[in-house]
Amino acid sequence: GENVEQHPSTLSVQEGDSAVIKCTYSDSASNYFPWYKQELGKRPQLIIDIRSNVGEKKDQRIAVTLNKTAKHFSLHITETQPEDSAVYFCAANSRGATNKLIFGTGTLLAVQP
Amino acid sequence: DTEVTQTPKHLVMGMTNKKSLKCEQHMGHRAMYWYKQKAKKPPELMFVYSYEKLSINESVPSRFSPECPNSSLLNLHLHALQPEDSALYLCASSHGTSGLLGETQYFGPGTRLLVL
Repeated sequence: GENVEQHPSTLSVQEGDSAVIKCTYSDSASNYFPWYKQELGKRPQLIIDIRSNVGEKKDQRIAVTLNKTAKHFSLHITETQPEDSAVYFCAANSRGATNKLIFGTGTLLAVQP
Repeated sequence: DTEVTQTPKHLVMGMTNKKSLKCEQHMGHRAMYWYKQKAKKPPELMFVYSYEKLSINESVPSRFSPECPNSSLLNLHLHALQPEDSALYLCASSHGTSGLLGETQYFGPGTRLLVL
């Protein structure tokens, strides 16, 4: 069935370092790939997304890259800050229902001051 | 208004109770979603409404009954729940007009449900 694999499950970095989270999707018809940040006890919030007609997108310290051939997409956070600490979920939409998102298992990012 | 709101924030219910969760958005979105999220897990899709019609039911047990009274409101009626149904229930909405393209989903703050 459709699935999205996400790695690593936990990531600890020093403040100021970069963090990279990687996802692989199975559905070659997926065309939308959002990333959500969820702080403890809060709602998931969209931080960046990318569509299949684009290879890379950047928003200040956050960037996402997409490799459609390999069915990989990655989140890059530069100059990490303690407030970046949260769980990050990648997702891909489903072939059969384009507004259905398949979520990855999540990455707990800890930024050490 | 650019937010999805949900009530109540917290709910404790017994296995014989009937309760309802409510979700509201005033962004003109025509797709609304219910998700269930267990601790340390990703959101798990339950239902999708598109233009007030149920378009996806992810084989959810009948003790969960969704309702979309109008384009701004989404309810989830709960009856005879089990302790394993305890979770964070998230509502989300999206434009619903993008056809074959995926859309950004905006999440509400969730209702934390405890079933005793």
